[in-house]
Amino acid sequence: AQSVTQPDIHITVSEGASLELRCNYSYGATPYLFWYVQSPGQGLQLLLKYFSGDTLVQGIKGFEAEFKRSQSSFNLRKPSVHWSDAAEYFCAVGAGSNTGKLIFGQGTTLQVKP
Amino acid sequence: DTAVSQTPKYLVTQMGNDKSIKCEQNLGHDTMYWYKQDSKKFLKIMFSYNNKELIINETVPNRFSPKSPDKAHLNLHINSLELGDSAVYFCASSLGPSSTDTQYFGPGTRLTVL
Repeated sequence: AQSVTQPDIHITVSEGASLELRCNYSYGATPYLFWYVQSPGQGLQLLLKYFSGDTLVQGIKGFEAEFKRSQSSFNLRKPSVHWSDAAEYFCAVGAGSNTGKLIFGQGTTLQVKP
Repeated sequence: DTAVSQTPKYLVTQMGNDKSIKCEQNLGHDTMYWYKQDSKKFLKIMFSYNNKELIINETVPNRFSPKSPDKAHLNLHINSLELGDSAVYFCASSLGPSSTDTQYFGPGTRLTVL
């Protein structure tokens, strides 16, 4: 069965420091992978997605993610974190090509220290 | 302009009551979804409609009944509310039912059952 694991429930980084959020997936075929961000009291916003091609994908707000098939991972990175990046981050995998079904990880809460 | 809107934003009610949550999208999308986010922020799909037709129905109790009067609207009616129904419910929409189509989320409806 398809699944997504985000090993880190909560991460705290200092403003200006680099960030990496981990995501591991389990999926039999070529996965469609997504990272969403949820700011407090808000809905989810797509940061970036990977379907095929270049394994390093660029997203909005300075985020990037790298797909590593051998490690079943799709980690999210940002070279320098801003206080406004504090939010909940969700990794997801598309679980059916004709249904739009997304399976989400448990989420990682990012706290940014001044 | 709000792309995906939900009403109400907050809903507090007693056990056993019946309530509805409304969702509207002005993006011209064909596919709409309902997700449930529990207290641990775990996000799970409940239903999906494409062109007013149900295409995803996860293992959701029969007390939950979605209705899509047209492609721009997907409402969620919940009968005989239980304590365990307390959660944040998100509506989303996408161009079509493909996993490659980006899903746009509404701001969420926080349902509290007392």
